[in-house]
Amino acid sequence: GDSVTQMEGPVTLSEEAFLTINCTYTATGYPSLFWYVQYPGEGLQLLLKATKADDKGSNKGFEATYRKETTSFHLEKGSVQVSDSAVYFCALTSNQAGTALIFGKGTTLSVSS
Amino acid sequence: DTAVSQTPKYLVTQMGNDKSIKCEQNLGHDTMYWYKQDSKKFLKIMFSYNNKELIINETVPNRFSPKSPDKAHLNLHINSLELGDSAVYFCASSFRRQPQHFGDGTRLSIL
Repeated sequence: GDSVTQMEGPVTLSEEAFLTINCTYTATGYPSLFWYVQYPGEGLQLLLKATKADDKGSNKGFEATYRKETTSFHLEKGSVQVSDSAVYFCALTSNQAGTALIFGKGTTLSVSS
Repeated sequence: DTAVSQTPKYLVTQMGNDKSIKCEQNLGHDTMYWYKQDSKKFLKIMFSYNNKELIINETVPNRFSPKSPDKAHLNLHINSLELGDSAVYFCASSFRRQPQHFGDGTRLSIL
C-alpha cells in the first residue's frame, strides 16, 4: 500500500540555519503531497501542498518540490526561527475526493537562539 | 470563526468507562474524518464520512463507533475504555479534493 518515509528526528538547529527535512513516498497513481506542522499542544496546520509533478509548494518561507522521478517531497527553509520549533509531518493522499491522509512518522524540529 | 472544533479538549477517565468526543465543522465541507495520534506522534486514519455515509472504516476495535448526524458533525463514541486507548484524537474535514483541515485534538488519558 501507499506509504511515506520521513527522516528521523529530532533535528536541532541554531536560529538562521538552513533546514532540510527529507520525505520520500510510495504510491500508485499520482498522489497529492502535503506538509503539515504541529506546534506544541496544538492541532495540525497545513503548511504547503503540491498536487502534481514539478509543482512547488511554498508558505512562510518553507518550500517543497514534488519530484516524481525520485518520489520525494523534501521540506526546506533558508533561515529558521525559534518560532519554527514544531513537529513536521509529510503526508500524501490519492487524488480521489474524501480519501484519507497517509502520514510519515513526523520530524521534531528544535531551533535555539 | 470558521473552524473544526472538538470537545472536550482533555478527557481523563477510568478504564471500563464509556465516553464520547464531539466534532463540528462550519466550513461547509462534505467529508469528515477521525485520526488517532499515538504517544510517538504517529497519525493514523480511523474513520471517514462523506455526506453522513461511512466511507472509511479502518481496522479499529468495534468499541469505537462513529456517528454523523449531519454533514457538519462527526462524533466518536468509545465503549469500555482500555489503557491502550490513551492518545490524541483528531477530527478533520475536507471538501472534494481540497486539503483537510484539522481540529485541535482531544487528549484522552485512561487511568
